[in-house]
Amino acid sequence: GENVEQHPSTLSVQEGDSAVIKCTYSDSASNYFPWYKQELGKRPQLIIDIRSNVGEKKDQRIAVTLNKTAKHFSLHITETQPEDSAVYFCAARTSGGYNKLIFGAGTRLAVHP
Amino acid sequence: GAGVSQSPSNKVTEKGKDVELRCDPISGHTALYWYRQRLGQGLEFLIYFQGNSAPDKSGLPSDRFSAERTGESVSTLTIQRTQQEDSAVYLCASRQEGRSGANVLTFGAGSRLTVL
Repeated sequence: GENVEQHPSTLSVQEGDSAVIKCTYSDSASNYFPWYKQELGKRPQLIIDIRSNVGEKKDQRIAVTLNKTAKHFSLHITETQPEDSAVYFCAARTSGGYNKLIFGAGTRLAVHP
Repeated sequence: GAGVSQSPSNKVTEKGKDVELRCDPISGHTALYWYRQRLGQGLEFLIYFQGNSAPDKSGLPSDRFSAERTGESVSTLTIQRTQQEDSAVYLCASRQEGRSGANVLTFGAGSRLTVL
């Protein structure tokens, strides 16, 4: 089945710096890759996603890149702010009859003022 | 309702007891997922329901775990003979099919289970 690896597990940056989180997936047929943000004590919420027919997508300070050949995708946050501090999860959706979404283990991002 | 509702929000039980967790998805959402999140850990896939198709149970960790869903309505996750390692937050999420934004999972607030 699908397996998603996420790195790093923790990331600490200074306010204003960039943060990059990387994920790899195992199922080459996966076609959808979302990123969820989970603030402390709250539920995960989608922040950005990308389909397999696109190489890059950007939304203000957040961007995601996808390399299908290497089976990896990355989240880029620029000009980080303290409110970006949270746990970020990448995920990959398997193809075929079952559209289950498999998540990475998460990255705890701390942005220091 | 406006969002995914889960109950109970907190459950403390003794080892060996059975527990039942409930999820009310967003009306019209055909897909429903259960995930387990242990303290400080990631989202572990448990089971996925899609309409009237047979559910994908590949993530259930043991035969003590089961889940049901009737049509596109409420789902219940049952854990029999609970063990301490079952302690976690159980998150339910639903997703709409066939429309723009259909890929987005909307999560409930979770049910925090503590097994003593």
